[in-house]
Amino acid sequence: NAGVTQTPKFQVLKTGQSMTLQCAQDMNHEYMSWYRQDPGMGLRLIHYSVGAGITDQGEVPNGYNVSRSTTEDFPLRLLSAAPSQTSVYFCASQGGVGGYTFGSGTRLTVV
Amino acid sequence: AQSVTQLGSHVSVSEGALVLLRCNYSSSVPPYLFWYVQYPNQGLQLLLKYTSAATLVKGINGFEAEFKKSETSFHLTKPSAHMSDAAEYFCAVSDPGTASKLTFGTGTRLQVTL
Repeated sequence: NAGVTQTPKFQVLKTGQSMTLQCAQDMNHEYMSWYRQDPGMGLRLIHYSVGAGITDQGEVPNGYNVSRSTTEDFPLRLLSAAPSQTSVYFCASQGGVGGYTFGSGTRLTVV
Repeated sequence: AQSVTQLGSHVSVSEGALVLLRCNYSSSVPPYLFWYVQYPNQGLQLLLKYTSAATLVKGINGFEAEFKKSETSFHLTKPSAHMSDAAEYFCAVSDPGTASKLTFGTGTRLQVTL
C-alpha cells in the first residue's frame, strides 16, 4: 500500500544547480499535482496534470518544469536552483470524489 | 478564483477545552471543502471532507466541521482538546468532482497547554 512516494526526502543544492524531484503513485490516479509549502503561506500549487501527456501551470510555476509520460510518474524539475526555491515540496494525486493523497514531502535547501 | 481564509495563524487552548479553528471560503460554484492536519516534519493527513452530502461532517480523532453556505464557512471543532492535537491545520477548497485543484489556506498552528 505505497500510495504516493516522493524521493529524495532531503536535498541540499547550490545556486544554479538543477535537479529532479521524483513522485510516483500506484493508485492509477489520473490527476497529480505539485505543491510547495513555505512558512505562513500554506501550500501553493506549482504544476498539475490531468493525465499522461497533459500538464498545466499552477499558482507559482516559474523556475519549475514538469512532464507526465506515464500515469504513475510526475517528476518536478528545477532548472537552475535559486535560494527562493528553498521549501518543502509535496506531490499529490487524486482519485475519486475529493480523494487527495499526499506524499511525505521533500525538504529542499538551496545555498 | 477560489480562495480560503483561515482566521488566526496561532490558536492556543487548554487540554480539555473546546477547539475551534475558523475557515471561510470564496468560490463561484458549490465547492468541496477539506481539513488537513500536519504534525511536525510530516506530510498532510486528511481529517475530513465535505463533498455536498451532509453539512455536518465527522472526521478522524474526534474532529468535525459544519458547512454553512450562508456564512461561506467550514469551521473545524473538537469538544475536548488533547495534547496530541497540537499540530498545524489547513483548510482547503476545490471545485466539485474529480481532477480539481486544491487551494489551501495559510494554516493555523494549534497549541495545547496543560
